[in-house]
Amino acid sequence: EAEVAQSPRYKITEKSQAVAFWCDPISGHATLYWYRQILGQGPELLVQFQDESVVDDSQLPKDRFSAERLKGVDSTLKIQPAELGDSAMYLCASSLVEGDSRGRGNTGELFFGEGSRLTVL
Amino acid sequence: GQNIDQPTEMTATEGAIVQINCTYQTSGFNGLFWYQQHAGEAPTFLSYNVLDGLEEKGRFSSFLSRSKGYSYLLLKELQMKDSASYLCAVRPPWNQGGKLIFGQGTELSVKP
Repeated sequence: EAEVAQSPRYKITEKSQAVAFWCDPISGHATLYWYRQILGQGPELLVQFQDESVVDDSQLPKDRFSAERLKGVDSTLKIQPAELGDSAMYLCASSLVEGDSRGRGNTGELFFGEGSRLTVL
Repeated sequence: GQNIDQPTEMTATEGAIVQINCTYQTSGFNGLFWYQQHAGEAPTFLSYNVLDGLEEKGRFSSFLSRSKGYSYLLLKELQMKDSASYLCAVRPPWNQGGKLIFGQGTELSVKP
């Protein structure tokens, strides 16, 4: 069964350092999402891509966070510099979208990767 | 904007039935999802409702009332492995790109 791949699974870093996360969505999924999930809370959307274009990055702290999906396939999320409050699980998800012939009749559900757990010391 | 409310935690007994409620206030609506998330793992899709009524899938059922902004997830014949967080999520209209907005999650503990 196709899966969303993420790496690294775990990352420990010191504050002020740079950190990067990688995501490879399910083949054929045009839409890719990065969510942040703080322990005990629900996932919060950081950025959404449609192919290589950003659809929504309104909740992305752009002074320190950046995200790209240059060829419309895999994606990288970067934090520089990391702060203590960035400690969280970073989840990548992908989905088909309405109007996509491959997804006709699909629910548009999001498929999540295993996540990257970040600890900032 | 969107506001989604669900209880923080619930406890139930193995073999019993539990209902997890979710209420939402939205400026637009294009479907409601339930996800299950075990500790330290990714959320996995459980159910989807876009029209009013009950959707049943094995031991899990989900109900939606759009006029009341209300949904529930019903879990029957509870098993220990059902101990997890259950996330209610609303999808805004398609012109906002298909994203899901999640509630805080309900931590369900199933006891013997």
